[in-house]
Amino acid sequence: DARVTQTPRHKVTEMGQEVTMRCQPILGHNTVFWYRQTMMQGLELLAYFRNRAPLDDSGMPKDRFSAEMPDATLATLKIQPSEPRDSAVYFCASGLVPGGQETQYFGPGTRLLVL
Amino acid sequence: AQKITQTQPGMFVQEKEAVTLDCTYDTSDQSYGLFWYKQPSSGEMIFLIYQGSYDEQNATEGRYSLNFQKARKSANLVISASQLGDSAMYFCAMREAQSGGSYIPTFGRGTSLIVHP
Repeated sequence: DARVTQTPRHKVTEMGQEVTMRCQPILGHNTVFWYRQTMMQGLELLAYFRNRAPLDDSGMPKDRFSAEMPDATLATLKIQPSEPRDSAVYFCASGLVPGGQETQYFGPGTRLLVL
Repeated sequence: AQKITQTQPGMFVQEKEAVTLDCTYDTSDQSYGLFWYKQPSSGEMIFLIYQGSYDEQNATEGRYSLNFQKARKSANLVISASQLGDSAMYFCAMREAQSGGSYIPTFGRGTSLIVHP
């Protein structure tokens, strides 16, 4: 049963610290998405990769956030320095394009709390 | 303007009854896809069903069906024979084609469904 995996599942840190979240997409998928979910804003798209190349990161605060795909099996989202307003659930999703439905499959999320 | 509108913040249904969750969308594309996801209290996002803009038949997946009315730009989710485990947030989403072959998905704000015994 192929799934997207994310680590860590939970992270509590202090303001100013660096946070790194990791995602392993489903094997064979060529697109990766990073989302942030909060009660106030709902689900926001932060970054989108296709074949490891960043195609859209317009939703990501550039001064503190960065997203990379060092290889096809790993995507990372970093926040440096972290702030309390970054507290949210961060989801990674992967999909296959073109692939008919082009459905995104989500990982379990990383719950981040910045104190 | 919002591209995906879910007008029902919360819905209640009796166990074993059917329930319809509304979703309207806005796009000028001819080719697009519509999705529904379920998010239970545990937090994961679970893909439920997909409808392509060129599909003539309404999509069905077990107890889930999508009532696709293209002219009205609506893609309502119908859950038949509700179960207690259906209690969750439900998100409608759309993908549109972008230049260069990429696409950016858009999600609605969600509808909270509570199934009563």
